[in-house]
Amino acid sequence: NAGVTQTPKFQVLKTGQSMTLQCAQDMNHEYMSWYRQDPGMGLRLIHYSVGAGITDQGEVPNGYNVSRSTTEDFPLRLLSAAPSQTSVYFCASRVLAGVPETQYFGPGTRLLVL
Amino acid sequence: KNQVEQSPQSLIILEGKNCTLQCNYTVSPFSNLRWYKQDTGRGPVSLTIMTFSENTKSNGRYTATLDADTKQSSLHITASQLSDSASYICVVSSYNNNDMRFGAGTRLTVKP
Repeated sequence: NAGVTQTPKFQVLKTGQSMTLQCAQDMNHEYMSWYRQDPGMGLRLIHYSVGAGITDQGEVPNGYNVSRSTTEDFPLRLLSAAPSQTSVYFCASRVLAGVPETQYFGPGTRLLVL
Repeated sequence: KNQVEQSPQSLIILEGKNCTLQCNYTVSPFSNLRWYKQDTGRGPVSLTIMTFSENTKSNGRYTATLDADTKQSSLHITASQLSDSASYICVVSSYNNNDMRFGAGTRLTVKP
């Protein structure tokens, strides 16, 4: 299993540009999520999905869109990048169960918005 | 205000020594607490998961404790190795398991 994969690893954008961060998992996990990690702060949830066709907002959703057309893929879209979106973005997935399950993270995407 | 506070912010120890990292939380109602290890430039990797009824859980040289009454957890690392150098993140979930609150982490450096 490749686990959770993310592309690209690094990206530089200019203010106002749009882009899509890709995330895929091959573990057949129902739950997928996107986080951002900023210096001195804990990871913050942007959006999450509990299955294909179902998405919901997390703690910091503004400026980001998501969709979940398949179980495997969960792309994150920045419609009009802003310098405040400079961050490291992590995608994660886990099984949905009645008991807490291990959450697996991707390697991250470093985004710089100029 | 962050609902999960970790201390110390950073820590330097010598190889072979033990250390303990602290996590205090205010998340309520409590469901579970996780500890992750995050190497520089990598995604977090799960170390332990504890529910309300568990007060200790081990994963090799890592032992996590939980006191749900005082809302405190600790991660004890025994006989540290250079490869233990990383950030350690405490994550607390409420009963809505989609609501996971992350601490800012403790940066551990193990020196030879």
